[in-house]
Amino acid sequence: AQSVTQLGSHVSVSEGALVLLRCNYSSSVPPYLFWYVQYPNQGLQLLLKYTSAATLVKGINGFEAEFKKSETSFHLTKPSAHMSDAAEYFCAVSDPSQAGTALIFGKGTTLSVSS
Amino acid sequence: DTGVSQDPRHKITKRGQNVTFRCDPISEHNRLYWYRQTLGQGPEFLTYFQNEAQLEKSRLLSDRFSAERPKGSFSTLEIQRTEQGDSAMYLCASRSDANTGELFFGEGSRLTVL
Repeated sequence: AQSVTQLGSHVSVSEGALVLLRCNYSSSVPPYLFWYVQYPNQGLQLLLKYTSAATLVKGINGFEAEFKKSETSFHLTKPSAHMSDAAEYFCAVSDPSQAGTALIFGKGTTLSVSS
Repeated sequence: DTGVSQDPRHKITKRGQNVTFRCDPISEHNRLYWYRQTLGQGPEFLTYFQNEAQLEKSRLLSDRFSAERPKGSFSTLEIQRTEQGDSAMYLCASRSDANTGELFFGEGSRLTVL
């Protein structure tokens, strides 16, 4: 069975500081990995995805993530936080060998950005 | 915008009542998913359709829950005899066979059971 673990339910940074949100996955097959962002009372928006091409993936709003197989990690980073980045972030995994399989989500990390 | 739409956005009901949520996926997407999200948690998979066929159901989907997608387009999720524990955000998502697995989510339907 696949799963993801997001370390740290809450991360606080200052505006302009580095953002690092951690995600570790468990999968018996090479996975697809995703990061989604959710603003209050809204659905989830895709930030970026890893689908076995380049291990460093660039997404929207200046975010990027690096797939590290040896560490089973897919951490999300942004060099300089902006107030508008404050939101809930979810890491998700899927099994590409199973057509149509649902994404499995982590419990999320709330990012707070202070001025 | 032709994204995933969900209706209603908010529903308050009394315990024991039935509620129904509707989801209209992106028009060319043949796969449709329902998730439940409670406060402080990530989305939890409930069920999945390919066209009109319901292919997978989570054990979270108790007998009081039923989902349909009669013509392979919109879907409904009905909860019978609601309980306070059903209070959650119900998220619908869709995707096509062509993309690499990412789901496109609607804005959700928030259910409050009093």
